[in-house]
Amino acid sequence: DQQVKQNSPSLSVQEGRISILNCDYTNSMFDYFLWYKKYPAEGPTFLISISSIKDKNEDGRFTVFLNKSAKHLSLHIVPSQPGDSAVYFCAASLYNTDKLIFGTGTRLQVFP
Amino acid sequence: GAVVSQHPSWVICKSGTSVKIECRSLDFQATTMFWYRQFPKQSLMLMATSNEGSKATYEQGVEKDKFLINHASLTLSTLTVTSAHPEDSSFYICSALETISTDTQYFGPGTRLTVL
Repeated sequence: DQQVKQNSPSLSVQEGRISILNCDYTNSMFDYFLWYKKYPAEGPTFLISISSIKDKNEDGRFTVFLNKSAKHLSLHIVPSQPGDSAVYFCAASLYNTDKLIFGTGTRLQVFP
Repeated sequence: GAVVSQHPSWVICKSGTSVKIECRSLDFQATTMFWYRQFPKQSLMLMATSNEGSKATYEQGVEKDKFLINHASLTLSTLTVTSAHPEDSSFYICSALETISTDTQYFGPGTRLTVL
């Protein structure tokens, strides 16, 4: 039972354009969401997070949007750069715990 | 800041042997660390929560006698895979929870375990 889903296994975007990565969840008790970037054979690197009391959080080129009613969040990267090419995981944390439930990941490729 | 290291980065062992993996938070103290496993082209799956000075909490389906976790200090947690078998071959990743400023999990670089 996959509680956090990333339905697009891959995404290809031209450099300079916007990358939009999507994530859906099923558990309404999730109250904190994070995005991580991962290269092969490395640990995930934290990118950005959002609390369930907010609907948007921005940090430089990265913006995360949360739609609680739809149980959906998205990560926008603009402008996309070739160095952004990696696998992106969304993760959710249950209320009052620190455990993270990860999505299945989306491989982003940014081409020149 | 918020750097987490793992050692070794890769290990190959024979079936039936035990392997210890170390996870260290280098520039912060972590009362809570987590151990994940990732099979090829799959998501990271939480195995257990490691709490300094107390027993680890294991996720459903994870054998606590097979995956021994020790969190003896605020900067070190170890995972020992006992009597390893080929099906234990995986990428093991730890994370440490930084609670002073960011309240975020920071991940180690991972350990590739191959059991022959």
